[in-house]
Amino acid sequence: GDSVTQMEGPVTLSEEAFLTINCTYTATGYPSLFWYVQYPGEGLQLLLKATKADDKGSNKGFEATYRKETTSFHLEKGSVQVSDSAVYFCALSGYNQGGKLIFGQGTELSVKP
Amino acid sequence: EAGVVQSPRYKIIEKKQPVAFWCNPISGHNTLYWYRQNLGQGPELLIRYENEEAVDDSQLPKDRFSAERLKGVDSTLKIQPAELGDSAVYLCASSLARTATGELFFGEGSRLTVL
Repeated sequence: GDSVTQMEGPVTLSEEAFLTINCTYTATGYPSLFWYVQYPGEGLQLLLKATKADDKGSNKGFEATYRKETTSFHLEKGSVQVSDSAVYFCALSGYNQGGKLIFGQGTELSVKP
Repeated sequence: EAGVVQSPRYKIIEKKQPVAFWCNPISGHNTLYWYRQNLGQGPELLIRYENEEAVDDSQLPKDRFSAERLKGVDSTLKIQPAELGDSAVYLCASSLARTATGELFFGEGSRLTVL
C-alpha cells in the first residue's frame, strides 16, 4: 500500500548547521507531497508542498524537491535556528489515495544554541 | 480568523469508560477529518466528512468508535468503551474541499490517556 518513510530522530544540531531530513515514499499514481511541522504545544501546520515531479516547495528557508525517479522529498535548510526545533512530518496525498493525507512517522529536530 | 478548535485538550479516564471529543472547524470549511496519532507515529485517518456525510470511515473501529457531524459544522468523536490501546492524541482537521493539493488545517489535538 501507499506509505511514507522518514529518517528516524531525534536529530540534534547546533544553530546555523545544515539540515537534511530524508523522506521517501511508495504510492500509486502521481500524488502531491507535503511537509508538515508541529511546534511544541501547537497543532500540525503545513510547511511546504510540491504537486508534481521536479517541483520545489519552499517556505521559511526550508526547501524540498519532488524527485520522482528516486521517490523522495527530502527537507533541507541551510542554517537552522533554535526556533526550528519541532517535529517534522512528510506526507502524500492524491486522487489514488482518495485525497487522504498519508503521513510518515515524524522526525524530531532539536536545535541547540 | 479562528483556527480549528478542539476540546478537551487532555482527558484521563479508566478503561471501559466512555469519552467524547469535540471539534469546531474553520468557518466555511466543508471537509472535516479525525486523525489518531499514537506516540512516536504519524497521524492516521479515522474518518472524513464532506459536509455532514461520512465519505471515508474505513479506518474507524466501529465496534467502539462513533462520530457525527450534525448540520455539517461541529463534529464529535466518541469512544465507548475505551481500551488501554486507545491512548493517543486525537486530531481534528478541516479543509475547503477534498483536493489532492489542498492544505489541511489542524487543531491542537485532544490527548487521551486510558488507565
